[in-house]
Amino acid sequence: GENVEQHPSTLSVQEGDSAVIKCTYSDSASNYFPWYKQELGKRPQLIIDIRSNVGEKKDQRIAVTLNKTAKHFSLHITETQPEDSAVYFCAASERGSNYKLTFGKGTLLTVNP
Amino acid sequence: DTGVSQNPRHKITKRGQNVTFRCDPISEHNRLYWYRQTLGQGPEFLTYFQNEAQLEKSRLLSDRFSAERPKGSFSTLEIQRTEQGDSAMYLCASSLGLAAYYNEQFFGPGTRLTVL
Repeated sequence: GENVEQHPSTLSVQEGDSAVIKCTYSDSASNYFPWYKQELGKRPQLIIDIRSNVGEKKDQRIAVTLNKTAKHFSLHITETQPEDSAVYFCAASERGSNYKLTFGKGTLLTVNP
Repeated sequence: DTGVSQNPRHKITKRGQNVTFRCDPISEHNRLYWYRQTLGQGPEFLTYFQNEAQLEKSRLLSDRFSAERPKGSFSTLEIQRTEQGDSAMYLCASSLGLAAYYNEQFFGPGTRLTVL
């Protein structure tokens, strides 16, 4: 099955700085890569996703890049704010499935005011 | 609230007891998923329903676990003879089911199970 590695496990930045979280996946057939944000005690919520037919996607301060050759994708958050503090999970689709996701272990992002 | 709901939010039980959790998906969603999340880990896929049909079960789902979605609406997850290793957050998610296409999965708040 798919294996997703996520780094770093914790990340601390100053407000206004950028944050980058990286994930690698093992299955070259994976074609869908979502990112979820989970605040303490709350449910995971999708913040951005990318499909394998594009290399980059942006939504305001958030962007995701995908390198299919190297099998890695990254989340970029610019102009970080304290409310960005949360655990972020990357995920990748499973080969031959249009529903099954494998998640990384998460990155705890702390934005210091 | 029109999102995914789960009940109960917390469950404390003694080892060996049976527990049942309920998930109510977003009404127009025909796909429903169960995940397990332990501390410091991402959600792990347990099982998936397309309408009332259970189409996949993870190896993580031992014989003590059973899930149903009798009318293609709400779903239940039952754990029989609970073990301390079953302690985790159980998350439910739902999505539309556009064929051959990934659709955003909307998660519920989860049921936190503690087995004493």
